[in-house]
Amino acid sequence: AQSVTQLDSHVSVSEGTPVLLRCNYSSSYSPSLFWYVQHPNKGLQLLLKYTSAATLVKGINGFEAEFKKSETSFHLTKPSAHMSDAAEYFCVVSESQAGTALIFGKGTTLSVSS
Amino acid sequence: DAGVIQSPRHEVTEMGQEVTLRCKPISGHNSLFWYRQTMMRGLELLIYFNNNVPIDDSGMPEDRFSAKMPNASFSTLKIQPSEPRDSAVYFCASSFEQGAISDTQYFGPGTRLTVL
Repeated sequence: AQSVTQLDSHVSVSEGTPVLLRCNYSSSYSPSLFWYVQHPNKGLQLLLKYTSAATLVKGINGFEAEFKKSETSFHLTKPSAHMSDAAEYFCVVSESQAGTALIFGKGTTLSVSS
Repeated sequence: DAGVIQSPRHEVTEMGQEVTLRCKPISGHNSLFWYRQTMMRGLELLIYFNNNVPIDDSGMPEDRFSAKMPNASFSTLKIQPSEPRDSAVYFCASSFEQGAISDTQYFGPGTRLTVL
């Protein structure tokens, strides 16, 4: 069975400092992994996705994530936080061989202070 | 492309009333998903259609919930009768799938449902 665990429910950073949002997954097959962002009262927007190509995935707005099979991790990073990055971030797993339903983590709220 | 379109954006109703949520997927996408988001349970998949056929409805909470996809460009999620515990944000998403490979799911803006 597949699952995803976001290790922090809330992360606070100062503007201009690095961002690290942690995610671990469990999957029986080769997973597809995604990070989605949800700004307040908005829908979900895809930040980036991993589908068994390059292990370092670059997304929008300067975010990137690295797939580490040995650690079953897919952490999201950004070198320098911006105020507009404040949002809820979801790590998501999908097993392409077992259907296409997405399994969402519980989310990490990112706060950015000036 | 206008993206996934959902209506209404907000719905306030009274317990016992019928509620119908609507979704128009991205043109050319052949899969459609209904999700529910609550503080307690996070994001949950309710039902998934592929080529207008329901494939997995195991997430539908009970018989009060029903979903249809009469054609490739329209889907509805109906709750009858509605209850206060149905209050949530309901998201529709669509994607293109070919065989066992699924493309990215694109989400609509959601419908915020409040049942009094």
